[in-house]
Amino acid sequence: DTGVSQNPRHKITKRGQNVTFRCDPISEHNRLYWYRQTLGQGPEFLTYFQNEAQLEKSRLLSDRFSAERPKGSFSTLEIQRTEQGDSAMYLCASRPKVSTDTQYFGPGTRLTVL
Amino acid sequence: GQNIDQPTEMTATEGAIVQINCTYQTSGFNGLFWYQQHAGEAPTFLSYNVLDGLEEKGRFSSFLSRSKGYSYLLLKELQMKDSASYLCAAHNQGGKLIFGQGTELSVKP
Repeated sequence: DTGVSQNPRHKITKRGQNVTFRCDPISEHNRLYWYRQTLGQGPEFLTYFQNEAQLEKSRLLSDRFSAERPKGSFSTLEIQRTEQGDSAMYLCASRPKVSTDTQYFGPGTRLTVL
Repeated sequence: GQNIDQPTEMTATEGAIVQINCTYQTSGFNGLFWYQQHAGEAPTFLSYNVLDGLEEKGRFSSFLSRSKGYSYLLLKELQMKDSASYLCAAHNQGGKLIFGQGTELSVKP
């Protein structure tokens, strides 16, 4: 399978706990994006990387959220001190360096904060 | 500000044609994407319009008017499997996508 993969697919946690999600983009895609989607809404942009550099962060990304892409390949999104409002689907997408603007999405990680 | 508007839901009959409209107001606009999303799954790419006009791809076509800030997705010969959410997204400089809330399409027999 050469698509975008995300782990875990589902995460249930208690309020106040920390969680970390992983995204593995399509090989050789240098741009990687994180989005959050709540029920009945479209995805909302959180942040994106070009190689290992984090180039933009949304105001939605509070100081409890941090994202990394240390080697320019996989990325992690960590949420500290989770709140019930963090419950959502977290989507990762990747895009190649050249030839297309299309972003390819992974299956997402569904987070439920109790 | 940035705003993407599309209808919340639509219903159509199997075999028919349906048009899903999208209006947008964004800065640094590069183009307009349409994605399909089945419940609980990832969005999958349908089309991308950069220039004004109609792009046809099998049963699906997409139209863009940059001067009017308007796009539509046209689905022909509807099939039951086309029941899904259709997401309109403006592509901005830097590459991020600004999505609408999605249009939930129900195809009835």
